[in-house]
Amino acid sequence: NAGVTQTPKFQVLKTGQSMTLQCAQDMNHNSMYWYRQDPGMGLRLIYYSASEGTTDKGEVPNGYNVSRLNKREFSLRLESAAPSQTSVYFCASSDRQGEAFFGQGTRLTVV
Amino acid sequence: GNSVTQMEGPVTLSEEAFLTINCTYTATGYPSLFWYVQYPGEGLQLLLKATKADDKGSNKGFEATYRKETTSFHLEKGSVQVSDSAVYFCASFGEAGSYQLTFGKGTKLSVIP
Repeated sequence: NAGVTQTPKFQVLKTGQSMTLQCAQDMNHNSMYWYRQDPGMGLRLIYYSASEGTTDKGEVPNGYNVSRLNKREFSLRLESAAPSQTSVYFCASSDRQGEAFFGQGTRLTVV
Repeated sequence: GNSVTQMEGPVTLSEEAFLTINCTYTATGYPSLFWYVQYPGEGLQLLLKATKADDKGSNKGFEATYRKETTSFHLEKGSVQVSDSAVYFCASFGEAGSYQLTFGKGTKLSVIP
């Protein structure tokens, strides 16, 4: 039972480069989320998708785009990476009561 | 929107000490409430939950009671172990029909032998 799988686990980008973080869940959940985690800041919501075909901004959406490709997959794209986007990124999915399952995280460094 | 506030850490306790981590939320409705735990180098995992007022969630010796009157969901454990060292996050979901899952900033707990 894989749960939530996100790739890659580590990535180093140069300022201005683009990349897409991939996330897939196999629990048939409607809701999916992207968070970033920074020291002392806890988890901040970037975007979420309440169901296939819908996406909504969270607390810190600037500099990011998302795609809910289908019910299983929810990707996060950085079009032009900046050092301020250095962080650990977590994808999650949840059932209707909000019980969430998280991926292992992507550690992104922008130099 | 809703928000979650939890006590700042870090918290350092001796083994077998009593643990309380405070959590309060702001909401006009009745969100579901959660405690998640994050061990070093890992993602978050659910520790316990409560979906309505006066519910008590419990798991692995941890407990938290959904208190609507004080908008609180404090985490407690009677006797902590070294293996409980982790970061603990309080979260709320479902406020006013929203599907947004909102977290507190996390509390780092270190338990020393």
